[in-house]
Amino acid sequence: KQEVTQIPAALSVPEGENLVLNCSFTDSAIYNLQWFRQDPGKGLTSLLLIQSSQREQTSGRLNASLDKSSGRSTLYIAASQPGDSATYLCAVSQSGGSYIPTFGRGTSLIVHP
Amino acid sequence: GAVVSQHPSWVICKSGTSVKIECRSLDFQATTMFWYRQFPKQSLMLMATSNEGSKATYEQGVEKDKFLINHASLTLSTLTVTSAHPEDSSFYICSATGQASNYGYTFGSGTRLTVV
Repeated sequence: KQEVTQIPAALSVPEGENLVLNCSFTDSAIYNLQWFRQDPGKGLTSLLLIQSSQREQTSGRLNASLDKSSGRSTLYIAASQPGDSATYLCAVSQSGGSYIPTFGRGTSLIVHP
Repeated sequence: GAVVSQHPSWVICKSGTSVKIECRSLDFQATTMFWYRQFPKQSLMLMATSNEGSKATYEQGVEKDKFLINHASLTLSTLTVTSAHPEDSSFYICSATGQASNYGYTFGSGTRLTVV
């Protein structure tokens, strides 16, 4: 059974710092990996989707990498802003099956001015 | 981009009544929809998976007679919480995907259910 772990669970940084959020998974036979953002009391917003054949994806100040063999993905946030404050969730979809994603518990990020 | 609309965003109901939550894919055909429940400061717990025109597949421990799921079309799935009790109070989120999950998953904005 796939298990997804996110480290750290919480992070508080001053504005302007570059951040790295980590996601690890136990079964490397994945179909894709997706990073989401969740604001308090809201649904999930997709940030980046990485297919199993890809190594990284970029969108603006966000860059996500994928290393299937080691079961790891990182989300890099450049020049953090207070508006980046949210919970970031990593979800892994398994290949050869129903593709139902398994979620990590998230990293709660606070960027203070 | 793909958009999923979920309504209502919040609802308060009396114990014993039923509540229906709708999830619509606005600009794509959702072959598969998922319903999740989220407790405070916890990750998402998958409740059930539904494919259009088929009965939903429920995760272990989820009462299918209590949480009725209907996926009658490629753009609409509904979750009905029947005979709601205070312990059913939670944040419910739907998700949809089209074709193979190459397109990833698009989530609704969630529904905060409070049963009093």
